[in-house]
Amino acid sequence: SQQGEEDPQALSIQEGENATMNCSYKTSINNLQWYRQNSGRGLVHLILIRSNEREKHSGRLRVTLDTSKKSSSLLITASRAADTASYFCATDAGGYSSASKIIFGSGTRLSIRP
Amino acid sequence: EAGVAQSPRYKIIEKRQSVAFWCNPISGHATLYWYQQILGQGPKLLIQFQNNGVVDDSQLPKDRFSAERLKGVDSTLKIQPAKLEDSAVYLCASSTIPGTAVTLDTQYFGPGTRLTVL
Repeated sequence: SQQGEEDPQALSIQEGENATMNCSYKTSINNLQWYRQNSGRGLVHLILIRSNEREKHSGRLRVTLDTSKKSSSLLITASRAADTASYFCATDAGGYSSASKIIFGSGTRLSIRP
Repeated sequence: EAGVAQSPRYKIIEKRQSVAFWCNPISGHATLYWYQQILGQGPKLLIQFQNNGVVDDSQLPKDRFSAERLKGVDSTLKIQPAKLEDSAVYLCASSTIPGTAVTLDTQYFGPGTRLTVL
């Protein structure tokens, strides 16, 4: 079963607007990452936030993490047509020795209207 | 820097046939992952290698799927025999996790192999 669940499943906004998508997870994590996947391509890493961090920025991206609510949000400001893609959160549910349980969510499909 | 290479990019087979995918990770990356991504879903981890050892294959259907990473560099994933439900994109990723790290590191993904089982 999926640990991370993104919300909403699909989002359509006007170019220039901000887009917010959320990720909820079930078990304790070491860190959480967001990835982008353009149609027909592999995933690209966007940002990593560790369990002891609450907020992180990277260019037009802002990620928050609330470990008490087991949730994270990804905000894309001033959206562009090139931001049209699916966005996935991935969690590391911890493990032992060198093993980590990596689980991806089901994704949010973002469409930017011109 | 060259990215993660995968081949073939597309494969169409009949059910009960065998198929193999190949992945060459980024040079120097110790950890290699194989994921299965069914249309409309997120990637599901099948197997994780660290160098040439397996660290997690809990979600690999071992009755039909096998994977190896000889010499700790490139890797092959095999399905034998294939079923209709194996139709998916198979993604390979690599990262630089050192031998004793326990946390998720940034993964670099290849373009994937789209498998269609008829």
